[in-house]
Amino acid sequence: QSVLTQPPSVSGAPGQRVTISCTGSSSNIGAGYDVHWYQQLPGTAPKLLIYGNSNRPSGVPDRFSGSKSGTSASLAITGLQAEDEADYYCQSYDSSLSGSIFGGGTKLTVL
Amino acid sequence: EVQLVESGGGLVKPGGSLRLSCAASGFTFSSYSMNWVRQAPGKGLEWVSSISSSSSYIYYADSVKGRFTISRDNAKNSLYLQMNSLRAEDTAVYYCAREVGSSGQSWFDPWGQGTLVTVSS
Repeated sequence: QSVLTQPPSVSGAPGQRVTISCTGSSSNIGAGYDVHWYQQLPGTAPKLLIYGNSNRPSGVPDRFSGSKSGTSASLAITGLQAEDEADYYCQSYDSSLSGSIFGGGTKLTVL
Repeated sequence: EVQLVESGGGLVKPGGSLRLSCAASGFTFSSYSMNWVRQAPGKGLEWVSSISSSSSYIYYADSVKGRFTISRDNAKNSLYLQMNSLRAEDTAVYYCAREVGSSGQSWFDPWGQGTLVTVSS
């Protein structure tokens, strides 16, 4: 059971908008620690998608955006494309564990 | 190009040991903290261990504490994970990842391609 809670799956049709939530607690997201997001395409290593809650690395399309409020964070994907079908993970830091933590991952299916 | 390449994975019996390596290139290795993250088959990501740039600060997940040892050799641009007393639940792909940002507010970028560790009799 992961410290950060994500929905196991989300889906959407091409062109639509989907959001993935990431819920933590007062010892991680709620304590002010940043949330970061990763995309893992099938059979590949995770790739940084969003860092520092809402910043996109160079090369990541602006269809991907992140936000954080209180003890939760969200990843939004607009204009869904077939190539977006992947697993998405949120990551933060937990002061009580003294280490990084991940969400359980969300599988995005493009219908 | 920033690159991380893991090696050393394989099949090992329960109770056995294995040493993973991660070769870094394309950046000043000695300036960054490094991490190991694992992913059991069909499961999510689990942070395993981190080591600061000068090896002064080392942290472990509770699940591996006392069994795994992280280390680095800045002269060789290499990161290591010594895994002892291996259990079936340690079976996973192990990724090394560079840590970017300040302590407690850091993220992982890039990641290596991973090396598979299988613990089975």
